[in-house]
Amino acid sequence: LAKTTQPISMDSYEGQEVNITCSHNNIATNDYITWYQQFPSQGPRFIIQGYKTKVTNEVASLFIPADRKSSTLSLPRVSLSDTAVYYCLVGDDNDYKLSFGAGTTVTVRA
Amino acid sequence: GAVVSQHPSRVICKSGTSVKIECRSLDFQATTMFWYRQFPKQSLMLMATSNEGSKATYEQGVEKDKFLINHASLTLSTLTVTSAHPEDSSFYICSADLLGSDTQYFGPGTRLTVL
Repeated sequence: LAKTTQPISMDSYEGQEVNITCSHNNIATNDYITWYQQFPSQGPRFIIQGYKTKVTNEVASLFIPADRKSSTLSLPRVSLSDTAVYYCLVGDDNDYKLSFGAGTTVTVRA
Repeated sequence: GAVVSQHPSRVICKSGTSVKIECRSLDFQATTMFWYRQFPKQSLMLMATSNEGSKATYEQGVEKDKFLINHASLTLSTLTVTSAHPEDSSFYICSADLLGSDTQYFGPGTRLTVL
């Protein structure tokens, strides 16, 4: 499983855009990049998944450069309720196991 | 879609008793489910991979005789913590692999407290 590195924490204010970059230098050709959000005492919630370039959904955008050695989760106009831990994971369909790193604790302030 | 439920959401038991936690995929079938454990302020740790109709695969350091896993149907996996002790108190989370999507969907978790 490719190892990922993320910042431990990030602070932001309501209405701002938050960008979390994840490094995965050893990503394999078949690996997808998936981001999850976790609130205290809840299971992780799927946010977005991508393989290359850019993916956007109603919640976030995921930017993946051509070399795929990193990815950036972009949360537009965050609110207090976006305060959570965000995990970046890489893996492929043939390797079902996910290995969670420490994640990034995002704190949104009023 | 892709909803996973867990029951119970929280349980308190006495030391030495056994506790069963259920994980269900509500709107899809899952041949593979996963069980994680999360201690306070820590990340999720994979305990085992549950495969429908076959034995579970346990991660290194996880006692298979203590954490019994059964995956009898395509929508249900159970984790039984046998002879629970206070050090087993933790947040247990299951996930189910949605075939064809390369994505795991997680349950809401079960808080186990062993007195």
